[in-house]
Amino acid sequence: QAGLTQPPSVSKGLRQTATLTCTGNSNNVGNQGAAWLQQHQGHPPKLLSNRNNNRPSGISERLSASRSGNTASLTITGLQPEDEADYYCSAWDSSLSGWVFGGGTKLTVL
Amino acid sequence: EVQLLESGGGLVQPGGSLRLSCAASGFTFSNYAMSWVRQAPGKGLEWVSTISDSGGRTYDADSVKGRFTISRDNSKNTLYLQMNSLRVEDTAVYYCAKMTDYWGQGTLVTVSS
Repeated sequence: QAGLTQPPSVSKGLRQTATLTCTGNSNNVGNQGAAWLQQHQGHPPKLLSNRNNNRPSGISERLSASRSGNTASLTITGLQPEDEADYYCSAWDSSLSGWVFGGGTKLTVL
Repeated sequence: EVQLLESGGGLVQPGGSLRLSCAASGFTFSNYAMSWVRQAPGKGLEWVSTISDSGGRTYDADSVKGRFTISRDNSKNTLYLQMNSLRVEDTAVYYCAKMTDYWGQGTLVTVSS
């Protein structure tokens, strides 16, 4: 099943801003929106932003999500060491009748 | 507090079967669709199966269609995944999820001879 497209890695300096992207099509991201998940090594995924670009309670205001057409973006400002993790996007695909994930972006904070 | 607790993982030979369970608490289980998502060692997340709130509709990834069956018991707040004809490539941590809000800790399934 076709997935969403994410860059494999992004590296930014401490206190800089990182923007992660996730590209799908009109059956998933373009129509349903995309959620963003963070995963630290050895831990389960954690929701950062739902498909309506809303942060759950407790998620830092340094994170913001948006969408333009078939591409979703997650922006993290003032990068901290704890932001170093794998980031996944996910969306329901109405054509496949299933969830699709991006391959994940490994964010490194230098 | 929402909790999803998976169990049932372990080591199984190729061609064997395993049944995973996920005990849910902290929310009205019967109101929500539930899913299984897996992650092979060192790899990304892969959707496996989803079941509707009532259990009347199920959806499966092509990679598991005809081999895995998702089900639920709303009276027990429990989600299941029956896995048959297991293959080496099914080796992964299997997560129970109320997509995409809540995730369990995962249970490891290893398929090896």
